Amino acid sequence: TQLLEQSPQFLSIQEGENLTVYCNSSSVFSSLQWYRQEPGEGPVLLVTVVTGGEVKKLKRLTFQFGDARKDSSLHITAAQPGDTGLYLCAGAFYTGTASKLTFGTGTRLQVTL
Amino acid sequence: DTGVSQNPRHKITKRGQNVTFRCDPISEHNRLYWYRQTLGQGPEFLTYFQNEAQLEKSRLLSDRFSAERPKGSFSTLEIQRTEQGDSAMYLCASSLAEPYGTKNIQYFGAGTRLSVL
Repeated sequence: TQLLEQSPQFLSIQEGENLTVYCNSSSVFSSLQWYRQEPGEGPVLLVTVVTGGEVKKLKRLTFQFGDARKDSSLHITAAQPGDTGLYLCAGAFYTGTASKLTFGTGTRLQVTL
Repeated sequence: DTGVSQNPRHKITKRGQNVTFRCDPISEHNRLYWYRQTLGQGPEFLTYFQNEAQLEKSRLLSDRFSAERPKGSFSTLEIQRTEQGDSAMYLCASSLAEPYGTKNIQYFGAGTRLSVL
């Protein structure tokens, strides 16, 4: 069974601060996705990383995939209240069918003025 | 196409009743997935289809749960004899299968929130 651990589980920061969310597993991912979810809605895809060591930037968000493809991080610079939400990492493990995603438990971020 | 569509958005039912949810995937996507999400947790995989074939089912999917995708387009998830523990958000996602499955990018619907009283 592949497990994904996210940390921290909760994060409350003020506008303008920086933060990093971590996603770790003992298994190797074939790819990893980061999603953001708002209450009562489905997860919305932010980014997909595939190559070990890959870094992707999406405005103030920077995503990094570990060299061994077992871990990932999401860094937000100068957080804004609109960044508030549940951040989920989800790993795809290639099993021949490469079907399901395994999600982490999520990091709930609250950004206040 | 506006993305993955799920209906209804909310369902309240009494214990013991049957419920059915519908998912319409992104039109060109051949894979469709069902997940369940309880409060404070990430989504958990239930089952997935490639076209009309159901290729994998989780152990979470008890005998009371059944999913279909009869024509390889929309899918339904039925729960029979609902229990209070079935209360959750049921999410549907779709993707376009890649040759070696290295990305498996899934796009989610807004979900159906089920409350069993």
